Parts: sequence; C-alpha cells; structure tokens
Amino acid sequence: GQQVMQIPQYQHVQEGEDFTTYCNSSTTLSNIQWYKQRPGGHPVFLIQLVKSGEVKKQKRLTFQFGEAKKNSSLHITATQTTDVGTYFCAGPGSGGGADGLTFGKGTHLIIQP
Amino acid sequence: NAGVTQTPKFRVLKTGQSMTLLCAQDMNHEYMYWYRQDPGMGLRLIHYSVGEGTTAKGEVPDGYNVSRLKKQNFLLGLESAAPSQTSVYFCASSYSTGTLYGYTFGSGTRLTVV
Repeated sequence: GQQVMQIPQYQHVQEGEDFTTYCNSSTTLSNIQWYKQRPGGHPVFLIQLVKSGEVKKQKRLTFQFGEAKKNSSLHITATQTTDVGTYFCAGPGSGGGADGLTFGKGTHLIIQP
Repeated sequence: NAGVTQTPKFRVLKTGQSMTLLCAQDMNHEYMYWYRQDPGMGLRLIHYSVGEGTTAKGEVPDGYNVSRLKKQNFLLGLESAAPSQTSVYFCASSYSTGTLYGYTFGSGTRLTVV
C-alpha cells in the first residue's frame, strides 16, 4: 500500500532559527496536505498543494510540492514558540482522498528559547 | 461554533468491555473518518464513510465496527476492548467539489484499556 515518510522525526531548534520537514511518498500523489498538531491537541489543516512544482506561503511558512508530485516540504522561517508541535503531511489514496488520507508519522518541532 | 464534536473525551475500560465513541459534525460534510493515534505510529485510518448509510474499512479495522445512520453522526464501536486498543481516537470530516478539501478533526477521545 501507499507509504508516506517524513524526516526528521524530531527537530530541536533555537527560537529564531529556521525549520524544515520533508515528506516523501512511495507513489505519485494527486495532491498533498499538511497539518499541525499542538501538544495535547488535534490535527489542524494548514494547506493543500495540487500542482506539480507548486509553492505556497502562509506568513513564515513555505510549502513546496515536488515536480514529480512524490515529495513535499514545509519550511518555517525564524521559528517562534507558537510554532511548537508536530507537523504531518498526508496524501490521498487511489480514491482521491475520499477513502482516507495516509499520514506521515510527523516531525516534532521542539523550540528552545 | 461549527465543527466536529467527539464524546466522550476520556474513558477507561476494562478488558472485554464494550463502548461506543460518538462523532458529530454540523458542517454537512459527506465524508467522515475514524483515526487512531499512537506514539511513533502517526495517524492510522480505522474506518471511513463516504455518505449516509455507507461505511468501509481502513488500514486497521480489526476489533472495531462503525455505523453512519445519519449524515451528521459517525459512531465507532469496540465490542470487546483489548489493551492494544489503548490509544487516542480522532474523528474527522471533509467534503469535495471535485478536489478534496482538508479534514476537520475533532478534539479526540483518549481511551485506556486496562
């Protein structure tokens, strides 16, 4: 079945440093979604990328979808304590996502003040 | 506020007991999902529904049953709880207009089976 892999599993940064998490799929994806989960909370949808090579920005967050639509990345510039949490990527199955998303195991972002 | 509501938020069960987790959404979403989250395992799909009266198995369906008698509700049942079912359970919903939109998750149910 489809596999979605994320690296790194954990990332420790000093406040103000940049952070990047990478996502790779075993299959070509029709789209990829990113979620953030705060400690003790639930996943919250951040963004969806659909086009090959697409780049989208949300304030300090930059999301990229690879040309082959098999990989993606999330980059945070100048991290803040509010960025703490786990970031997940997720890709749809053969049903386009209506039959569920396959989530990566997430990258835990830990920020040291 | 509109969203996905899960009840209960916490529960402790003894091995062999049964229970039902309720998920309710008021956004008129067609698609609903049950995931479990375990340390180091990420989110794994248990069952899903693409519409009222329909359900299907996900990645880890064994030991669980579901029902979607009304569009707004998606129930997850554990007939005979086992310690391996200790987990955090999340319900999510979504809709599509040709492109699937992002999932809206509930706040989760933390279940401990002893």
